[in-house]
Amino acid sequence: AQTVTQSQPEMSVQEAETVTLSCTYDTSESNYYLFWYKQPPSRQMILVIRQEAYKQQNATENRFSVNFQKAAKSFSLKISDSQLGDTAMYFCAFMNYNQGGKLIFGQGTELSVKP
Amino acid sequence: EAGVTQFPSHSVIEKGQTVTLRCDPISGHDNLYWYRRVMGKEIKFLLHFVKESKQDESGMPNNRFLAERTGGTYSTLKVQPAELEDSGVYFCASSPAGGDEKLFFGSGTQLSVL
Repeated sequence: AQTVTQSQPEMSVQEAETVTLSCTYDTSESNYYLFWYKQPPSRQMILVIRQEAYKQQNATENRFSVNFQKAAKSFSLKISDSQLGDTAMYFCAFMNYNQGGKLIFGQGTELSVKP
Repeated sequence: EAGVTQFPSHSVIEKGQTVTLRCDPISGHDNLYWYRRVMGKEIKFLLHFVKESKQDESGMPNNRFLAERTGGTYSTLKVQPAELEDSGVYFCASSPAGGDEKLFFGSGTQLSVL
């Protein structure tokens, strides 16, 4: 069975600085997706970034980028130039190609961006 | 375009009562999913509809939970009778046909069972 682990329950960062959130996963599958979702106080889950396992190039979305290490089964999220609006719970998630829509989530990391 | 809508946003009920949660997916999305996060734990998959059919209900915790999606549009999740351990946030998500990896989530329903 697949598992996703986020070892940092809480993190904080100063505004404008860079922060990296860790995520490791375990799977025997070779084709899958990895995601980072953000859940602000409004509670809506928002997709931050998505990575397809077959792509070696790390995904990037504006200030958000990932470090995808397939062999090490690691998928960290880097937030550059942190903004107050980045304050949220961040969830790492895994989806097997053959189980469309069935996400397996990590425990979440609560990020606070301080002015 | 409207996103995934869930209501109520909060529900407080007593143990033994019945509660029905509703989810309106994005118009045209064939796939609809229910997830929940109980206190302090991971978000867990409950089930997946494709149109009105249950594709995968492997995450449903027990027979006190009943999900329906009549006509392939909105979905309801009924908990009857509710137990204390059912407290948590229930999320709904939808995705288009062939776009299983493109989930759009609602804001969830916070359920408190007292």
